[in-house]
Amino acid sequence: QTVVTQEPSLTVSPGGTVTLTCASSRGVVSSDYHPNWFQQKPGQAPRALIYSTSNRHSWTPARFSGSLLGGKAALTVSGVQPEDEAEYFCLLYSGDGTWVFGGGTKLTVL
Amino acid sequence: QVQLVQSGAEVKKPGASVKVSCKASGYTFTSYYMHWVRQAPGQGLEWMGMLNPTDGSANYAQRFQGRVTMTRDTSTTTVYMELSSLGSEDTAVYYCGREMHGGYHDYWGQGTLVTVSS
Repeated sequence: QTVVTQEPSLTVSPGGTVTLTCASSRGVVSSDYHPNWFQQKPGQAPRALIYSTSNRHSWTPARFSGSLLGGKAALTVSGVQPEDEAEYFCLLYSGDGTWVFGGGTKLTVL
Repeated sequence: QVQLVQSGAEVKKPGASVKVSCKASGYTFTSYYMHWVRQAPGQGLEWMGMLNPTDGSANYAQRFQGRVTMTRDTSTTTVYMELSSLGSEDTAVYYCGREMHGGYHDYWGQGTLVTVSS
């Protein structure tokens, strides 16, 4: 059973830049894992931000970018806004028809 | 516009089953897989499984094998997720979400709260 690991929490100042990462117990994360990133605010459904590693949806602000970094999937937020305070989840394909979510990163803007 | 509208909240007793529906509209139903995800109170997202609406085939997370069944009705463009042998640990919000083959996850339903309590 694949385990996907994210930082439990991160804090960033408004206007700053922060990178969230997503690691797989199977090893190096590649584009074959089709990394997706989601944002979730309290009481709301998840909202898709990034698909297939680095592609933004039409509604995703340009300050959000996805990449592969050091063997992991990464989500970078540049010029953080107060409204970016939320929990962020990555989702990876396991290669056997199943997917696994990371445990989530709670991002605090302070 | 794309919409995934889920059925309403459910309260079930331990040992019972629950069937949650997800009505899709605004796109070609068979062009996107449908995934089911749940979130227990104060916890993260957990992937449960996915359904191919074209042929009805499904893949399930190992921990739900034998207890979950995902089906669809193409005439009403509705996908169903049935979970059996409910326990208190199954109390959660259940979401459906669509994916275009290749990892393009985008729209989600509003969620359905399932409460398991005696």
